[in-house]
Amino acid sequence: QQQVKQSPQSLIVQKGGISIINCAYENTAFDYFPWYQQFPGKGPALLIAIRPDVSEKKEGRFTISFNKSAKQFSLHIMDSQPGDSATYFCAARGKSTFGDGTTLTVKP
Amino acid sequence: GAVVSQHPSWVICKSGTSVKIECRSLDFQATTMFWYRQFPKQSLMLMATSNEGSKATYEQGVEKDKFLINHASLTLSTLTVTSAHPEDSSFYICSARELAQETQYFGPGTRLLVL
Repeated sequence: QQQVKQSPQSLIVQKGGISIINCAYENTAFDYFPWYQQFPGKGPALLIAIRPDVSEKKEGRFTISFNKSAKQFSLHIMDSQPGDSATYFCAARGKSTFGDGTTLTVKP
Repeated sequence: GAVVSQHPSWVICKSGTSVKIECRSLDFQATTMFWYRQFPKQSLMLMATSNEGSKATYEQGVEKDKFLINHASLTLSTLTVTSAHPEDSSFYICSARELAQETQYFGPGTRLLVL
């Protein structure tokens, strides 16, 4: 049973638009929710992370929204740029559980 | 920021040979290291978790005799793919975490091609 479900699988956004990627989890014992960015042929890099005691965290153009009651969290990329084109993974601490990934393409 | 290196970045080997991949934390002590395998356009699949000085804990379905993991120091873990076969060809990624910290830092990955 997949513990973290991520959607959409792929996303195409125009430059300057908002990219939104969603994740849902089952295990309420998870207490740390990071997002990773991965470029082709590279390892993932931590982008931003949140704990369940806050509903939102913002770092630059990247924001995590967290809904504890719904067991969902999402990544918002504001003013999306072509350089943001990558694969994004949500994760939940507990057993290094990763979502399936979202391939984001930002068109110029 | 914390840096994790992997070596080699690319390896091509013949079927039946063994390949060792190193994962090093360069500026912090990694009490826990993770090894992942990633197929093209897929997510990271956790293979095993290793704590320094202890035996690795393997995920279900991962053959521990085939994928030997050693975490003998706080800055180095190795993954040895024994008797490699073409189906072992993949992208192998390690990550490291400090004691009592939540953040995992990933290495750049090692691409293995078994001919």
